Amino acid sequence: QSVLTQPPSASGTPGQRVTISCSGSSANIGSNPVNWYQQLPGTAPKLLIYSSNQRPSGVPDRFSGSTSGTSASLAISGLQSEDEADYYCVAWDDRLNGWVFGGGTKLTVL
Amino acid sequence: EVQLVESGGGLVQPGGSLRLSCGASGFTLSSYNMNWVRQAPGKGLEWISYISGGGYSMYYADSVKGRFTISRDNAKNSLYLQMNSLRAEDTAVYYCARELGGRGGYWGQGTLVTVSS
Repeated sequence: QSVLTQPPSASGTPGQRVTISCSGSSANIGSNPVNWYQQLPGTAPKLLIYSSNQRPSGVPDRFSGSTSGTSASLAISGLQSEDEADYYCVAWDDRLNGWVFGGGTKLTVL
Repeated sequence: EVQLVESGGGLVQPGGSLRLSCGASGFTLSSYNMNWVRQAPGKGLEWISYISGGGYSMYYADSVKGRFTISRDNAKNSLYLQMNSLRAEDTAVYYCARELGGRGGYWGQGTLVTVSS
């Protein structure tokens, strides 16, 4: 069982907006920034969002992140077929002294 | 161009040992904290170990504490993971990852470790 809780799956049709949640505690999301990674099938994870709401260069502005208290969210607007992937949140946990991942959310574009 | 290339994976018997390496290029390794993250077949990501840029601080997940040792040689642009007392549940793709937090996050392509008799 992962320390950060994500829904196992999410789906949407092309052009729609979808949101993926990531729930934690005061030891992780409540006190440290969150990163989001995208893992396309058969590939290594790629940084999507850092410091909770910042996009690296090259990541489309369709992707956005936010936090509120002990939860974080990743929003994808204008959904495209190439967005079909697994998405993971990660944060440092001050109590465990280590990084903790969410269990991952498999996004399906219908 | 930033590159991380893992090597050293393979088939090992339960109780055996393996040493993974991660070669870095395109950036100054000593400027970055590094991690090992694994992914069991069909499963999610699991962080297993962290080492600071200078190599003075190391942290481990409980699942590998006492069995795995992370190290680095900045002069050789390399990161290592010594894995001892391997178990079937250690079977996974092992990734080296630069800076899981912040804007520097970058992962290698991974190396497969299979623990089986």
